Amino acid sequence: GDSVTQTEGLVTLTEGLPVMLNCTYQTIYSNPFLFWYVQHLNESPRLLLKSFTDNKRTEHQGFHATLHKSSSSFHLQKSSAQLSDSALYYCALNAYKVIFGKGTHLHVLP
Amino acid sequence: DAGVTQTPRHEVAEKGQTIILKCEPVSGHNDLFWYRQTKIQGLELLSYFRSKSLMEDGGAFKDRFKAEMLNSSFSTLKIQPTEPKDSAVYLCASSSNSQNTLYFGAGTRLSVL
Repeated sequence: GDSVTQTEGLVTLTEGLPVMLNCTYQTIYSNPFLFWYVQHLNESPRLLLKSFTDNKRTEHQGFHATLHKSSSSFHLQKSSAQLSDSALYYCALNAYKVIFGKGTHLHVLP
Repeated sequence: DAGVTQTPRHEVAEKGQTIILKCEPVSGHNDLFWYRQTKIQGLELLSYFRSKSLMEDGGAFKDRFKAEMLNSSFSTLKIQPTEPKDSAVYLCASSSNSQNTLYFGAGTRLSVL
């Protein structure tokens, strides 16, 4: 069945350093939608960015991701982390139903 | 516009009780999802409705979890009987179609003693 893998449970880095959160997926569907959702403390998840176009960079709020169907990846990146980026980040796949990876906690230190 | 509304926000139950969680999706949305959120497993899909039809009943959650969508603006999730391992946050989300953004409710935090 469909699946999403986020290899890091926790990423800790210092403010100003680049961020990269990994996401790979498995699906037999040839045109999946991939999403990144962000969840801040005591809030619900909300959409950060999404894509369904192969090899096209998608950007929002300083974050970017590119869907690579050849490697089934949709990694989230940011050039310079901010303290306010500390949150739980979920990668999600929508091929028929929406399923989520287990999430990556990003902890940005001053 | 009203977002997704979930009630109650908190629920405490004794082991073996029946509890019912409620969700009102965003008006006009056709897809409704129930997820269970825990620190270890993240967001696990419990049920998925499209235009009120049950599309996914959550596999391993089938035996004690039952979601219903009586009309396009109201859904319930029944857990019967509850067990301590059911303690988690239950999130309801809706979207306008299967390829679109999910909008989440504030969630119900369930504690089973």
